[in-house]
Amino acid sequence: DIQMTQSPSSVSASVGDRVTITCRASQGIYNWLAWYQQKPGKAPKLLIYAASSLQSGVPSRFSGSGSGTDFTLTISSLQPEDFATYYCQQGNGFRSFGQGTKVEIK
Amino acid sequence: QVQLVQSGAEVKKPGASVKVSCKASGYILTNYFMHWVRQAPGQGLEWMGIINPSGGLTSYAQKLQGRVSMTSDTATSTVYMELSSLTSEDTAVYYCARDWGSSWYYGWFDTWGQGTLVTVSS
Repeated sequence: DIQMTQSPSSVSASVGDRVTITCRASQGIYNWLAWYQQKPGKAPKLLIYAASSLQSGVPSRFSGSGSGTDFTLTISSLQPEDFATYYCQQGNGFRSFGQGTKVEIK
Repeated sequence: QVQLVQSGAEVKKPGASVKVSCKASGYILTNYFMHWVRQAPGQGLEWMGIINPSGGLTSYAQKLQGRVSMTSDTATSTVYMELSSLTSEDTAVYYCARDWGSSWYYGWFDTWGQGTLVTVSS
């Protein structure tokens, strides 16, 4: 099974900050990587797919990059509604998720 | 619009089984694979398995093999997930999630149900 390791596990940031979250796969997954946002009590929401494609309706301040084993989610200017937990997910075979990164208010 | 509506919360005793439903609307059920994902309280997301609603082919996470069963009813556009021999470690919110495309082996989840809380307690 492919293991996904996210870092950091949490980050404290202010509105307007640039936030970067990384995700590493235990083996190469090409660009079969997605990012989700989850708010408390809600289902995850797809933000980025195919490592760098923005899901319809998602603000352009979200961007993704990477291929192979190393991937990054960047929020260019953090907004109040972006405080949430973010998960990466590999889609190369049996699916699996990273452990999550909680973005908290500084 | 595409929507997945799940059945309500359940409380079960250890050793029992639970069956959660997920009713799809806004698209043709048989055109997309469906996954189940669960999330224990305060924990991350765990992929459970995938079903092809057209024909019923399934594939399950190794950890759950022998305890989980996924089925579909195309007449009602509903998929089901049944988990047996429940323990306290199965207490979680269970989500159905639609696959993005037409590949069994590759992809992600573009639409999620609202989640169903299953509590296992004596």
